[in-house]
Amino acid sequence: KAGVTQTPRYLIKTRGQQVTLSCSPISGHRSVSWYQQTPGQGLQFLFEYFSETQRNKGNFPGRFSGRQFSNSRSEMNVSTLELGDSALYLCASSLDWRSEGQFFGPGTRLTVL
Amino acid sequence: GNSVTQMEGPVTLSEEAFLTINCTYTATGYPSLFWYVQYPGEGLQLLLKATKADDKGSNKGFEATYRKETTSFHLEKGSVQVSDSAVYFCALRGAGNNRKLIWGLGTSLAVNP
Repeated sequence: KAGVTQTPRYLIKTRGQQVTLSCSPISGHRSVSWYQQTPGQGLQFLFEYFSETQRNKGNFPGRFSGRQFSNSRSEMNVSTLELGDSALYLCASSLDWRSEGQFFGPGTRLTVL
Repeated sequence: GNSVTQMEGPVTLSEEAFLTINCTYTATGYPSLFWYVQYPGEGLQLLLKATKADDKGSNKGFEATYRKETTSFHLEKGSVQVSDSAVYFCALRGAGNNRKLIWGLGTSLAVNP
């Protein structure tokens, strides 16, 4: 069974631009969560989707948004990029929102110049 | 709100040494507790979990016991190997509908031969 895949793996953008990251969960998994990982703040929860609905949201500004499609694939978008958005963005999938374990993808490394 | 405090690294040990990585938490109700591991160049992997007080999670020789009275979930291994070199993250998932994962900052472990 293929794992969680994230595209692209690396991305370089400039301030003010927007970016869209993609995540394909493990086949059969319907819950997708997104996290931001930085050296200073560690891992911080962005949002969680289940069956195309956002179930939980972290404490990030409205520039960060996401969505989930009917095939459970998910995208997150960051608009008006700031230098501080440089981070590793991780996607995790689980069978459903009640599942205790999550399976993580390799992440997308975003660098904002 | 919920939070996780994890001992700071880096931790450097010799092969076959005993490992303890401390993790304490603050949460309402009865959260689920996790240890994740991130090997160099790889994604986050669930190492072990415990979902109720006094539960012991174990995997690959690692153990952690959910201690409600001390709000702790310390990770231990009796004899570490070079292949255990990685970053270890303690995390909790809240009870009820607030199920987002809250993470510690991670502890880097280096095991020397």
